[in-house]
Amino acid sequence: DAGVTQSPTHLIKTRGQQVTLRCSPKSGHDTVSWYQQALGQGPQFIFQYYEEEERQRGNFPDRFSGHQFPNYSSELNVNALLLGDSALYLCASSLQTGTNEKLFFGSGTQLSVL
Amino acid sequence: AQSVSQHNHHVILSEAASLELGCNYSYGGTVNLFWYVQYPGQHLQLLLKYFSGDPLVKGIKGFEAEFIKSKFSFNLRKPSVQWSDTAEYFCAVMTNQAGTALIFGKGTTLSVSS
Repeated sequence: DAGVTQSPTHLIKTRGQQVTLRCSPKSGHDTVSWYQQALGQGPQFIFQYYEEEERQRGNFPDRFSGHQFPNYSSELNVNALLLGDSALYLCASSLQTGTNEKLFFGSGTQLSVL
Repeated sequence: AQSVSQHNHHVILSEAASLELGCNYSYGGTVNLFWYVQYPGQHLQLLLKYFSGDPLVKGIKGFEAEFIKSKFSFNLRKPSVQWSDTAEYFCAVMTNQAGTALIFGKGTTLSVSS
């Protein structure tokens, strides 16, 4: 049973560019959440998608946007990249009817902005 | 603002030593509490969780944590650590106000020498 898969594993971009990160949830899960983990910090909630809609959003600017597809996979898009966007981006999947105790994380995408 | 504080940034222990990692949160309402572990090169995994009931919860690999509501604390303990416990440990809280978002602490790096 595949867990949460994220692609790519590493990415290097320059300031001002746009990036798209991808996530496939664990089999049977319908909800995808995205977190940003800066160096030396804990993960910070970006947003959550369920039924192809953004259900909840953390304190991130509109440059951060997402999408969920009918197969429950998800994308995170970041526009106009800043140096400060360099971080590990984590995807987590769960069942909407659950209580987040069954939250499974992927290994993340390491984004470096030069 | 809701937050989670982990008191120790880096803990170094010898095998068989006892472990206690501190975690305090700032929120006056109902909380769900979690400890996650991230082994080198691996994804975040759930160690244990508290939702309600017995404030002493037991998790995987011999870890336990005690929820003390009056102290807003959820400290992680293990009587005897092993070299394989070397990892980064994150405390997280879910609140009614934050919805289904997890609020993480900055993490504690545990290094166990054999």
